[in-house]
Amino acid sequence: EPEVTQTPSHQVTQMGQEVILRCVPISNHLYFYWYRQILGQKVEFLVSFYNNEISEKSEIFDDQFSVERPDGSNFTLKIRSTKLEDSAMYFCASSASYSSEQYFGPGTRLTVT
Amino acid sequence: GIQVEQSPPDLILQEGANSTLRCNFSDSVNNLQWFHQNPWGQLINLFYIPSGTKQNGRLSATTVATERYSLLYISSSQTTDSGVYFCAVVGSNDYKLSFGAGTTVTVRA
Repeated sequence: EPEVTQTPSHQVTQMGQEVILRCVPISNHLYFYWYRQILGQKVEFLVSFYNNEISEKSEIFDDQFSVERPDGSNFTLKIRSTKLEDSAMYFCASSASYSSEQYFGPGTRLTVT
Repeated sequence: GIQVEQSPPDLILQEGANSTLRCNFSDSVNNLQWFHQNPWGQLINLFYIPSGTKQNGRLSATTVATERYSLLYISSSQTTDSGVYFCAVVGSNDYKLSFGAGTTVTVRA
């Protein structure tokens, strides 16, 4: 069964460093998303991406964040200068259309020290 | 944006018991999904159910879109059912899933 994959599974970084989280969405999907979950809280939307551009973003997704689809298979989230409050589980998801089922990857646990 | 409320926030069950989790949402939706978050933090898709009823083993779900709620039923609960259950919706003018705060289920042997 096709699945969304994410790397790395865990990342520890120092405050102020840049991190890139990587995702491989399901191959025939057209819509891609990043969500995050701070420990003990609910899952929050960050950004959606379609046709090589951002289709929607949340207030959390400020200038420190960027997304890219560098080739036909990868989808990345970059945080330019990490802050302590960026520590969270980051989930990538993909779907075939904007209203169809979203499939989530296993997540990357980011710890900023 | 669309509001999603889940109840109850916490549920403690004896193994073998049945339970019902509820999800209320504030506006019309194009998508409604139920997830189980396991102890490793992974979100496991349970149901894609913007309307109607579905069953998968001991789990079933019903969404009444016109009344803006969905129910998740767990029958004959097992300890492996423990975890957090999330309801999430995509509003009619949205791309994103908006999540509820979750119901934490603990099944005791």
